[in-house]
Amino acid sequence: DTAVSQTPKYLVTQMGNDKSIKCEQNLGHDTMYWYKQDSKKFLKIMFSYNNKELIINETVPNRFSPKSPDKAHLNLHINSLELGDSAVYFCASSPRVSPRANEKLFFGSGTQLSVL
Amino acid sequence: DAKTTQPNSMESNEEEPVHLPCNHSTISGTDYIHWYRQLPSQGPEYVIHGLTSNVNNRMASLAIAEDRKSSTLILHRATLRDAAVYYCIPTGNTGNQFYFGTGTSLTVIP
Repeated sequence: DTAVSQTPKYLVTQMGNDKSIKCEQNLGHDTMYWYKQDSKKFLKIMFSYNNKELIINETVPNRFSPKSPDKAHLNLHINSLELGDSAVYFCASSPRVSPRANEKLFFGSGTQLSVL
Repeated sequence: DAKTTQPNSMESNEEEPVHLPCNHSTISGTDYIHWYRQLPSQGPEYVIHGLTSNVNNRMASLAIAEDRKSSTLILHRATLRDAAVYYCIPTGNTGNQFYFGTGTSLTVIP
């Protein structure tokens, strides 16, 4: 079984549409994250959730809304998609928020979003 | 957050050892040094981490300078499957949330 799974793997859509990316982890972790990797391959954290509670929101436009129905799931909904949203989005999880220093991140395989 | 400096790219011959350096001169005393790598078209994966002492695991070794301002990831025998971007990430209990820098792109030459 895949530890952190994301769907879909590829998402092609038109500007202005609303889309969602789903993420599930079966590791029993409390903390989940969304990262965005742009065309220059820079990997930037967007959000982190601990046990369904938002911990980090890194100046992401409010068109992006994460939703965590339970601690095993963290979905990313994007409203009014723009060309600049095209990127690869990675979901990740770690055991706990604190202490963090000695813990590992586990990543999904990514969702390639293309906005036309 | 501690800043890191890594070479943009490095090359290694297959079967040779590779030493990937990272400078993290602003690291705090309680930050661990994590290394992750990202293979083409995949999500990042954990490689190794340490605090003060050198660390070994089945993937690599981590050599940490005595003043902790730099570290080196050592791949003992590079294989083609080790071609990836390697990220050095100081991570603490406050503030840091695994912020990735630009990493080092490793090319392994057959």
